[in-house]
Amino acid sequence: SQQGEEDPQALSIQEGENATMNCSYKTSINNLQWYRQNSGRGLVHLILIRSNEREKHSGRLRVTLDTSKKSSSLLITASRAADTASYFCATGGNQGGKLIFGQGTELSVKP
Amino acid sequence: GAGVSQSPSNKVTEKGKDVELRCDPISGHTALYWYRQSLGQGLEFLIYFQGNSAPDKSGLPSDRFSAERTGGSVSTLTIQRTQQEDSAVYLCASSPGPREETQYFGPGTRLLVL
Repeated sequence: SQQGEEDPQALSIQEGENATMNCSYKTSINNLQWYRQNSGRGLVHLILIRSNEREKHSGRLRVTLDTSKKSSSLLITASRAADTASYFCATGGNQGGKLIFGQGTELSVKP
Repeated sequence: GAGVSQSPSNKVTEKGKDVELRCDPISGHTALYWYRQSLGQGLEFLIYFQGNSAPDKSGLPSDRFSAERTGGSVSTLTIQRTQQEDSAVYLCASSPGPREETQYFGPGTRLLVL
């Protein structure tokens, strides 16, 4: 069963704009991760934030975590056409290693 | 270095047949996971192997599904008497160990049951 919801389900923006995706989850977690998927195939890990962290940065990515609201957001700044992909949040740590994924946000960045 | 590999890339089978999907994890990774991605259900956990411990099979949807991991490396996911609802992309992932949360995914096997 899915851990939670992501919104929006789909997002279309122009190159150079920022993209924000949100994720909510249901149970307590040790960490929350964001993955990217191109063309419905393998997932690529982007960033991990632990339950005792509130914000994390990696290049053009910024992730926030609010454990009181059981929610996280992923911000991609200065988007590029190559950022077009599906983005998934996944919670882990309390379930013995397995990841529980959100439904995903499909991002389209138009050149 | 080599990533996680899966074979076949695509598999078309007839309803009722058995299929075997293979996963080669990253060398040295002790944890191995199988997930399934389908339109209706999103990304679902299936099974988790960690070293020599008993696998976590809690995500397997029915007793038609089984998996094994030989020698702590290669894993095979077997689906017996396939049904149309088994059509999905089957993703394998590995990680260095149970305390390493990041998982490294293979390209997946796209299974179509006719």
